[in-house]
Amino acid sequence: DAGITQSPRHKVTETGTPVTLRCHQTENHRYMYWYRQDPGHGLRLIHYSYGVKDTDKGEVSDGYSVSRSKTEDFLLTLESATSSQTSVYFCAITSGLANEQFFGPGTRLTVL
Amino acid sequence: SQELEQSPQSLIVQEGKNLTINCTSSKTLYGLYWYKQKYGEGLIFLMMLQKGGEEKSHEKITAKLDEKKQQSSLHITASQPSHAGIYLCGAEFSSGSARQLTFGSGTQLTVLP
Repeated sequence: DAGITQSPRHKVTETGTPVTLRCHQTENHRYMYWYRQDPGHGLRLIHYSYGVKDTDKGEVSDGYSVSRSKTEDFLLTLESATSSQTSVYFCAITSGLANEQFFGPGTRLTVL
Repeated sequence: SQELEQSPQSLIVQEGKNLTINCTSSKTLYGLYWYKQKYGEGLIFLMMLQKGGEEKSHEKITAKLDEKKQQSSLHITASQPSHAGIYLCGAEFSSGSARQLTFGSGTQLTVLP
């Protein structure tokens, strides 16, 4: 357990509505990541952060934005949700002597 | 990801049997991670390998990275029902500090009692 929580854990929303997912960590890790997991595509990196206000795009960043105004919170926002964004979203951090990557419990998002 | 291929896609074994899962990359690996996932749950970190020829073990699970750093194997000895789940390999393809991972499609393991 690397002290990662995600909220909400489940959400159902409608197409066109904004959605924000929160990742919270308690151990002052510098690097944080957002992935999505889909059948047939596996886990894919959306965005990551290497410090407060420092973020970069991953493989599937279109339609997503992120913010990190303090070390412990990394927010993922879908400005206008689409059905193709129905997925399970995982937050991750790097920790440990070898910068191992640990994952949060996930958020299941359904866009109707 | 086609950059990272996992095999087999699924595996059914009898309890007590040994098994091996492979993860093959088309590019040199700077790091290779193994995770286990129960259906509908999060990823549990198993091991991380970085050096060519490196081998790590945890309980009955051993992971190796080949000398060329393009293939890794995960071996389970004397499998138990508790080993059942989806095994995922994740790869770092660059040496930067950001640890961006590319994942394989996973291997679904079923262990029959």
